[in-house]
Amino acid sequence: AQKITQTQPGMFVQEKEAVTLDCTYDTSDQSYGLFWYKQPSSGEMIFLIYQGSYDEQNATEGRYSLNFQKARKSANLVISASQLGDSAMYFCAIPTGANNLFFGTGTRLTVIP
Amino acid sequence: ETGVTQTPRHLVMGMTNKKSLKCEQHLGHNAMYWYKQSAKKPLELMFVYNFKEQTENNSVPSRFSPECPNSSHLFLHLHTLQPEDSALYLCASSHRRVYRGGTGELFFGEGSRLTVL
Repeated sequence: AQKITQTQPGMFVQEKEAVTLDCTYDTSDQSYGLFWYKQPSSGEMIFLIYQGSYDEQNATEGRYSLNFQKARKSANLVISASQLGDSAMYFCAIPTGANNLFFGTGTRLTVIP
Repeated sequence: ETGVTQTPRHLVMGMTNKKSLKCEQHLGHNAMYWYKQSAKKPLELMFVYNFKEQTENNSVPSRFSPECPNSSHLFLHLHTLQPEDSALYLCASSHRRVYRGGTGELFFGEGSRLTVL
């Protein structure tokens, strides 16, 4: 069974600083992917970034990057140059079965002006 | 503006009421999903539809009844709910099914916040 652990229920970061949100996972699959989603107070879950387990390079999307350490089974999200609009819940997720994404419990990020 | 629209955004209902949640996607996707998000719990998958056919029912109580008349619309019919069913119900769609090793990311609506009195 898939498992996602996000150990930081809440994080604070100063505006314009970088922040790392932790995610560790467990899976018996040889090939898998890892997703990060952002959920602002409006409720919508917004896809941020994807890392394939066989991708040699860490994924990057604008200010978002993934620090993927396969041996440690960790896929931490790094947000550079934090902005006030980055304040939200952040969820790490891994596919499970053919139809489902299994989500972690999330980390609430607050950006301080 | 999201490509997945959910209505209503907020719903308060009594335990004996019958109501429905609606989801519409404008992205040309083939798969649609209902998720439940309760406070301090991970998102829970409820139902999956692929090309209008239900492909997954994650042991959801029968008081929740999904309907998918076409690939663009998904409903969740609610009847005789319990207070513990109060949650944010999120609809999502994807171009293809999310599968191991795949990149079929989900596109979510803003959710329908349900309160059962």
